[in-house]
Amino acid sequence: AAGVIQSPRHLIKEKRETATLKCYPIPRHDTVYWYQQGPGQDPQFLISFYEKMQSDKGSIPDRFSAQQFSDYHSELNMSSLELGDSALYFCASSSPGTPLGHEQFFGPGTRLTVL
Amino acid sequence: LAKTTQPISMDSYEGQEVNITCSHNNIATNDYITWYQQFPSQGPRFIIQGYKTKVTNEVASLFIPADRKSSTLSLPRVSLSDTAVYYCLVGVEISSGSARQLTFGSGTQLTVLP
Repeated sequence: AAGVIQSPRHLIKEKRETATLKCYPIPRHDTVYWYQQGPGQDPQFLISFYEKMQSDKGSIPDRFSAQQFSDYHSELNMSSLELGDSALYFCASSSPGTPLGHEQFFGPGTRLTVL
Repeated sequence: LAKTTQPISMDSYEGQEVNITCSHNNIATNDYITWYQQFPSQGPRFIIQGYKTKVTNEVASLFIPADRKSSTLSLPRVSLSDTAVYYCLVGVEISSGSARQLTFGSGTQLTVLP
């Protein structure tokens, strides 16, 4: 079965650079979530989109922005990168009719390292 | 924002039943409670979800008291491959008045011993 696809899987950036992470949800899933997980930390919810509109906002820094496109894929744009942004970034998707926050299918994550 | 708390770690032996509790005092009124399993460097994997009372599926049971301020994940007859971190996920009402924020629990490292 198709799963959530994230690209790139690994990314290395310098401080103050920008990065764009991409997420391709499971086909026909209309809701996308973004999470940040630092080393040894629990995942922190950043933001979610339902039908291309922002649905919930978590602890996403102002330096970050995200959007969901007409084909339901989503991109997380990160600017002025800081050392503390080094983390695993997970995208998850859920199917139509699933109440927000429920039964999410997670991708393999993008490991971002900021030097 | 009140944290959603879990025991840091638990040890068990193969074949035993394991119960992991999550405390979520500020759970949003209409939110379900979901539980996930995570292996190192992998995305969390859905286990079970529920709103109240008891839910059971082929891999786990979930017990939720009437006040919904906590929930207990029950794993019957664990095996070595169940060694992982287990998280609850709930929507938490925020004092600022905005809708609610999805919040993972602090995570419980379950180690199953032979």
